[in-house]
Formats: sequence, structure tokens, C-alpha cells
Amino acid sequence: KAGVTQTPRYLIKTRGQQVTLSCSPISGHRSVSWYQQTPGQGLQFLFEYFSETQRNKGNFPGRFSGRQFSNSRSEMNVSTLELGDSALYLCASSLGERALQETQYFGPGTRLLVL
Amino acid sequence: AQRVTQPEKLLSVFKGAPVELKCNYSYSGSPELFWYVQYSRQRLQLLLRHISRESIKGFTADLNKGETSFHLKKPFAQEEDSAMYYCALSGREGGNKLVFGAGTILRVKS
Repeated sequence: KAGVTQTPRYLIKTRGQQVTLSCSPISGHRSVSWYQQTPGQGLQFLFEYFSETQRNKGNFPGRFSGRQFSNSRSEMNVSTLELGDSALYLCASSLGERALQETQYFGPGTRLLVL
Repeated sequence: AQRVTQPEKLLSVFKGAPVELKCNYSYSGSPELFWYVQYSRQRLQLLLRHISRESIKGFTADLNKGETSFHLKKPFAQEEDSAMYYCALSGREGGNKLVFGAGTILRVKS
């Protein structure tokens, strides 16, 4: 099976712009989670989607949003970018509803640089 | 609040020496605990989870609820174990939310 894919892999934006990142889960996986990774804050949970519904949300401002499509692909959007949004954004997928005991499979990440 | 603490940023050991990567957690309920590993230029991947009670690549981890710890151990380190190790916690609220520790870099010297 193909692994989790994320596009684009690298992105450079300027402050105030918005950005959309995409994640394609492993075929058959219905849950997609997003994480932000920075040197200062480490790995932080952004949100999780299952069957097109947001199931969990981390402590991020409303500028961060996401959605999931019927084919389980997910996008996250960051509006009004700030310098502090520069990070590696990771997507992870897992099979289904009993996610607590399921393995999450991570993508390679999208590295966002905000200038 | 859920919190995971990995007190060591870097752990350096010689090949063949025992390894213990420390992880302490804070959670009011019964958590699910995981160790994830990231080798150089590879994706973050699951190493093991406490509910499986399995040994992967010679690593084991035991959940100690009294000490709220989930330390990762290996009796004899190998050079290929060099990587970044993250301890992570998932609560019983449902869903996939993982709270990660800051990570520990393990360097195994020859």
C-alpha cells in the first residue's frame, strides 16, 4: 500500500497570506490527524477528522482550519499567516473509529516557511 | 491536562550498553501510551504501544501507573538505534489526539 502523502512538500509564503496543505491517507484509512512540529514547541496536535467530521481540536487559533472529503483526503488551511506559523506540518492516518488503540501512520510533512 | 515529559534531550551510549529513555506523564484517567521513533531522513513511525505489550527491535516499555512512567528500555544498544524518540499519550476522550513529549535523541557510539 502507498503511504500517507502530503503536498506540497515545501512552501514559502509571506506574512498575511493564506495557505492550504493537502494530505492523502493510506487507502482504506478514514481518520486523518494533523500536527505542527517546531523546534521550540515540538509536536503539537492541531485537529483530527473522521468521516468528514472534526472529532478533536488542539489549542490553535481559529486561523487554523481543516476539512476532510468523502474519499478521506484532508486539507488544512492557515489564514493570515504569521512568522510563528513556520513549521513542519505532519499528517497522520489510521484505520477507523477505535483510534485510541490504532497505529497512526505519518506522512513526510509539509515544511512551511513564512517570511 | 495531559502532559508528557521526556527529561533528556540527548542520550549518548556506547554500542552494547543498556539504554533507558525516560518518559513521565500526567493524566487523570487511564492513558494509552506510545513510543514513536524518527530515524534520520525517515518519517515518524510507531515503535511500540503499551497495550500491545510487545517487544520491537529489542525495545520494551512498561507502564507504571504508580510512578506515571513509561520508560523505553533495551538491554544492548546498536548503532542503528540512533534516532529521535518521542513518547506520546492518548486519552480516552475518543479520537486520535496524541500528546507528544519533547523527544530524546539517542546516539549510539561505536
